[in-house]
Amino acid sequence: AQRVTQPEKLLSVFKGAPVELKCNYSYSGSPELFWYVQYSRQRLQLLLRHISRESIKGFTADLNKGETSFHLKKPFAQEEDSAMYYCALRWYSGGGADGLTFGKGTHLIIQP
Amino acid sequence: KAGVTQTPRYLIKTRGQQVTLSCSPISGHRSVSWYQQTPGQGLQFLFEYFSETQRNKGNFPGRFSGRQFSNSRSEMNVSTLELGDSALYLCASSLGEGPYEQYFGPGTRLTVT
Repeated sequence: AQRVTQPEKLLSVFKGAPVELKCNYSYSGSPELFWYVQYSRQRLQLLLRHISRESIKGFTADLNKGETSFHLKKPFAQEEDSAMYYCALRWYSGGGADGLTFGKGTHLIIQP
Repeated sequence: KAGVTQTPRYLIKTRGQQVTLSCSPISGHRSVSWYQQTPGQGLQFLFEYFSETQRNKGNFPGRFSGRQFSNSRSEMNVSTLELGDSALYLCASSLGEGPYEQYFGPGTRLTVT
């Protein structure tokens, strides 16, 4: 079965410092990975996906199949980055049906 | 374009009762997924519906069920409620199955007393 692990429940860094949110996965198929973010009192929203290889709000994430990781990074943290971050893996079952498995989330706090 | 809507937003029920939650996807979206979010277990996949058919089901007891209507709106039902069913229930819609972005609703907060 697929699994997503986010080892840090809470991560606190100072404004301007680099941020790295860790995510490791296990999946027998070809992985599709995502980072979702939930700001205070807002709904869960997609931050970025590995297939896009894009940078959103200064965040990037590289899929490392050898280490089965998809860590989220930002060189200089901003206070508005404070939020819950979830790593998610899309898995496929027979017939093309799919679902998302989420990690338990990391609460990122950016201190001024 | 209006986002995913869920009703009701808050619900308080008693153990043993049943509850029905509703989700209206973004217009044009045909796939709806449901998730349960709790502090202890995080976000867990409940089921996915596409074209009125349940396509996937997570590891939840049969008390949890759902359906999708021809207009893609979906409902989930929980029967014989238990205290442990207290959670935020999230619905997400996407254009279809496969590599489409899932858009989440605000959730329904269910409290079982």
